[in-house]
Amino acid sequence: GAVVSQHPSRVICKSGTSVKIECRSLDFQATTMFWYRQFPKKSLMLMATSNEGSKATYEQGVEKDKFLINHASLTLSTLTVTSAHPEDSSFYICSAERRGGYEQYFGPGTRLTVT
Amino acid sequence: QKEVEQNSGPLSVPEGAIASLNCTYSDRGSQSFFWYRQYSGKSPELIMFIYSNGDKEDGRFTAQLNKASQYVSLLIRDSQPSDSATYLCAGSVGGYGNQFYFGTGTSLTVIP
Repeated sequence: GAVVSQHPSRVICKSGTSVKIECRSLDFQATTMFWYRQFPKKSLMLMATSNEGSKATYEQGVEKDKFLINHASLTLSTLTVTSAHPEDSSFYICSAERRGGYEQYFGPGTRLTVT
Repeated sequence: QKEVEQNSGPLSVPEGAIASLNCTYSDRGSQSFFWYRQYSGKSPELIMFIYSNGDKEDGRFTAQLNKASQYVSLLIRDSQPSDSATYLCAGSVGGYGNQFYFGTGTSLTVIP
């Protein structure tokens, strides 16, 4: 159990366009989902915490208007990178906290390349 | 500010040996600790979590927590080449919806 999926796994987009990334908990309900980004050979950087039915809480320095997060249900959260620029190119990973537990389970990640 | 420190390595051990990965944390209020394994280009995979002082064993893995010393470790017995990865230590103050704070990871190489 505790499987988290992400879609797409890899996306290339042109500068100025928007990209939506989906994160789904497949076999459990996730009360909280987290969005991270990771640069090569660096650790995870938390971007925002997302609770079902409420607004996401963004970390300092993360622009909420640029990284739109929607947590529509207990199994789905989406991250939309708006007006993407090359510096937004990164590995975006979501995680989900299973209801009744404290541990986080990670999705497989989405590699975004902005050209 | 909550921080977790890990030796970045690389740590190399021969196949069959015990690999010891260490982590210290700054916040005494932290209650829960997690070890993740991350292969290059992949997302982290949960190995173990520990909430209580002492040892917790799961197969070839043993997590150790010493809250007085603010120290967490992961032992991997009978190390295999497939264990070669970066190991991330994470802490949390506990409770639902609480954020994790991650260390920078220790790179482990198991030499056949």
